[in-house]
Amino acid sequence: EDQVTQSPEALRLQEGESSSLNCSYTVSGLRGLFWYRQDPGKGPEFLFTLYSAGEEKEKERLKATLTKKESFLHITAPKPEDSATYLCASRGGSQGNLIFGKGTKLSVKP
Amino acid sequence: GAVVSQHPSRVICKSGTSVKIECRSLDFQATTMFWYRQFPKQSLMLMATSNEGSKATYEQGVEKDKFLINHASLTLSTLTVTSAHPEDSSFYICSAPATVNYGYTFGSGTRLTVV
Repeated sequence: EDQVTQSPEALRLQEGESSSLNCSYTVSGLRGLFWYRQDPGKGPEFLFTLYSAGEEKEKERLKATLTKKESFLHITAPKPEDSATYLCASRGGSQGNLIFGKGTKLSVKP
Repeated sequence: GAVVSQHPSRVICKSGTSVKIECRSLDFQATTMFWYRQFPKQSLMLMATSNEGSKATYEQGVEKDKFLINHASLTLSTLTVTSAHPEDSSFYICSAPATVNYGYTFGSGTRLTVV
């Protein structure tokens, strides 16, 4: 059964304190590893899609990387506005849908 | 590009009544729409998949007679929660496959509260 597991569940950082979020996946035939940002009461906002091990993508203070079993979302010098829940998902469902992890709630204090 | 507009954003209804949630693709044609439900501190769980012009496919454990899905056009999919009960209170989100660059685009979600 396809599974996506994220850690930690919650992460508190001081502004400027860099860190990484982890997403491990067990999917037969990965067809994309997705990262989304979700603010309270809102739908997920697309960040990155990764397709093959070794691939990296960057956007502002965020960088996503992918290995054969894990993906990391690196946050460099975070700001309070980066506070949100970050969701990882793989495309592996029978309907072509995304399978989501539970997310990591990031809080960045000024 | 690839915007899905979801309405309403919040709805409170009485137990036993029905509620309709709409998702419209504004700048692309959505032949497929995924409907998810999200409980607090839980991940998004797929409820059903709708395809334009055909019957929806429901995930195991989701009552198709309770959660009616209609996908009558390439730009509109609706979810109707019939005879709602307090346990149906949740955050409902629709999603459609967009372009390779955007992956899947999501609506802004509907917070349903049944009292």
